[in-house]
Amino acid sequence: AQKITQTQPGMFVQEKEAVTLDCTYDTSDQSYGLFWYKQPSSGEMIFLIYQGSYDEQNATEGRYSLNFQKARKSANLVISASQLGDSAMYFCAMSSYSSASKIIFGSGTRLSIRP
Amino acid sequence: DTEVTQTPKHLVMGMTNKKSLKCEQHMGHRAMYWYKQKAKKPPELMFVYSYEKLSINESVPSRFSPECPNSSLLNLHLHALQPEDSALYLCASRQTESTEAFFGQGTRLTVV
Repeated sequence: AQKITQTQPGMFVQEKEAVTLDCTYDTSDQSYGLFWYKQPSSGEMIFLIYQGSYDEQNATEGRYSLNFQKARKSANLVISASQLGDSAMYFCAMSSYSSASKIIFGSGTRLSIRP
Repeated sequence: DTEVTQTPKHLVMGMTNKKSLKCEQHMGHRAMYWYKQKAKKPPELMFVYSYEKLSINESVPSRFSPECPNSSLLNLHLHALQPEDSALYLCASRQTESTEAFFGQGTRLTVV
């Protein structure tokens, strides 16, 4: 069975600082993908970044990077130079190829940026 | 273009009503998803369609009936819902099992 764990229910960060959101996962599959999504209070689920299990380099998208440590089964999201607009709920998610396209989510981390 | 469009954005329905949620994507994605999300909780998978065929039903009550008329469109038909079915319903699509998934803005459903 697959499982995603986010251990930080909430975080407060000063504007312009970098922040790391933790995510660990559990799967027995060799082939899987890891996702991060941002969900503002409006409810839309915004795709941020994707990492495939066979990707050798950590994924980066603008201010977002994914710190992928396969042996530790962790996929932490790093946001550099945080902005007020980064305040939102952040979900880590996983899909493994043996699970027939299922995408499962962690419990989420609510990030609040202080001015 | 990474847009998944859901309509309506908001829906209020009585327990005896029949309504439908619509999801559309024009990215050529072959997998489409319905999720249900309650407040302060992560999304819960309901259904997955792969190549227009239902591939996963997460033991969803029959008052929710999915339909995939073509590769771009996914519907969720609602009938005889209960107040506890009130939630945000999210649609998503992805090209293959090894790519990212994109979500629509969701439909906020209230059952009265």
